[in-house]
Amino acid sequence: DAGVIQSPRHEVTEMGQEVTLRCKPISGHDYLFWYRQTMMRGLELLIYFNNNVPIDDSGMPEDRFSAKMPNASFSTLKIQPSEPRDSAVYFCASSFERGGSDTQYFGPGTRLTVL
Amino acid sequence: DAKTTQPTSMDCAEGRAANLPCNHSTISGNEYVYWYRQIHSQGPQYIIHGLKNNETNEMASLIITEDRKSSTLILPHATLRDTAVYYCILYNFNKFYFGSGTKLNVKP
Repeated sequence: DAGVIQSPRHEVTEMGQEVTLRCKPISGHDYLFWYRQTMMRGLELLIYFNNNVPIDDSGMPEDRFSAKMPNASFSTLKIQPSEPRDSAVYFCASSFERGGSDTQYFGPGTRLTVL
Repeated sequence: DAKTTQPTSMDCAEGRAANLPCNHSTISGNEYVYWYRQIHSQGPQYIIHGLKNNETNEMASLIITEDRKSSTLILPHATLRDTAVYYCILYNFNKFYFGSGTKLNVKP
């Protein structure tokens, strides 16, 4: 398996623009997670899905952020409008539920820079 | 929300065992102890996890104390490529809370 795939790997945009990050989870995994990593706050869970349904979005910073999972093999994280403080590395992870012990496998991340 | 305490950094000589401690005194009965590492600019990489018993795989060993309030990750023969930030995480109900981790510096 190719592992979790994220695109783009790097994104540079200007403040106010819409940004869309993409993730393809490992085939067969039924959980998908979006994380954000910054120097100040470390790794933070933003939202996670189970069987394409959002379960917990309490980590989403504000309404400018939205995430969707239209099918089992694709998810997007959208920021509209983007701001310089959104600059971070965004990771997607997936896992397969085994009942209490569910290892998450992370993608390589998307490094977002908002100017 | 991180419920683990780790030293900020540690040094280890190449070829020697690296022992990374973690305190999790508030662990509950159904929380697993997970270890991940993050090599610069890469996504976190799974290492090992356990509930009560000690565990070993091809990468490392995990020693959990009998009261489960602390654990130690052991890399038996550290190499330069093991230089990374190591995270000790308590896992329950699908959520990982990553703390600050331990920066392990493996030196020649």
